[in-house]
Amino acid sequence: QVHLEESGGGLVTPGGSLRLSCPASGFTFSDYYMSWVRQAPGKGLEWVSFISGSSSFTKYADSVKGRFTISRDNAKNSLYLQMDSLRAEDTAVYYCARVLIGGMIPDYFDYWGPGTLVTVSS
Amino acid sequence: EIVMTQSPASLSVSPGERITLSCRASQSVNTYLAWYQHKPGQAPRLLISNASTRATGVPARFSGSGSGTEFTLTISSLQSEDFAIYYCQHYNDWPTFGPGTKLEIK
Repeated sequence: QVHLEESGGGLVTPGGSLRLSCPASGFTFSDYYMSWVRQAPGKGLEWVSFISGSSSFTKYADSVKGRFTISRDNAKNSLYLQMDSLRAEDTAVYYCARVLIGGMIPDYFDYWGPGTLVTVSS
Repeated sequence: EIVMTQSPASLSVSPGERITLSCRASQSVNTYLAWYQHKPGQAPRLLISNASTRATGVPARFSGSGSGTEFTLTISSLQSEDFAIYYCQHYNDWPTFGPGTKLEIK
């Protein structure tokens, strides 16, 4: 069955960097868009970034544009999120999720990992 | 950006009860609406897509309905494992989520 599990979270000071990883199994990884979604403490869910199966298309939420970079390695069945210039407001649980696409934009997220906590604090 | 709202914010209910959760969009999203169940420390779980289509393995006690701007998720007879937070999400455009409804045991 589909399995996703994030790693790489932790405590980082403002302005610092962190790289999240999400190995995937149970499906043909390269056939699917993938995404990062986050949930700040006491807040709702917010999509952060999407990437197409071939990596030819990526998109970012305005809140992270220019600071975060999504990537994938289809040979390793893994999704990544490079987070630079981190701010306190980036503190959240970060989830990787498989995305279903109906047209030119993502639809919904059919499988998720359990999440990894990123804390940005001095 | 389409804004999603959910009501109530929280609900205290007893096992066996029938409950209906509401989700509203700030403009029409047709039937491009998904529902998720989220338990603390676990991966969110897709319940419903296209407003009313149950995801694989989701029990029949979960049902979704609605179109346009008004949607509902109904759980016909609450089981102990159903106590969680429920989120709606539209995908008529770049997706946004509602703030969630927390189901608590009475």
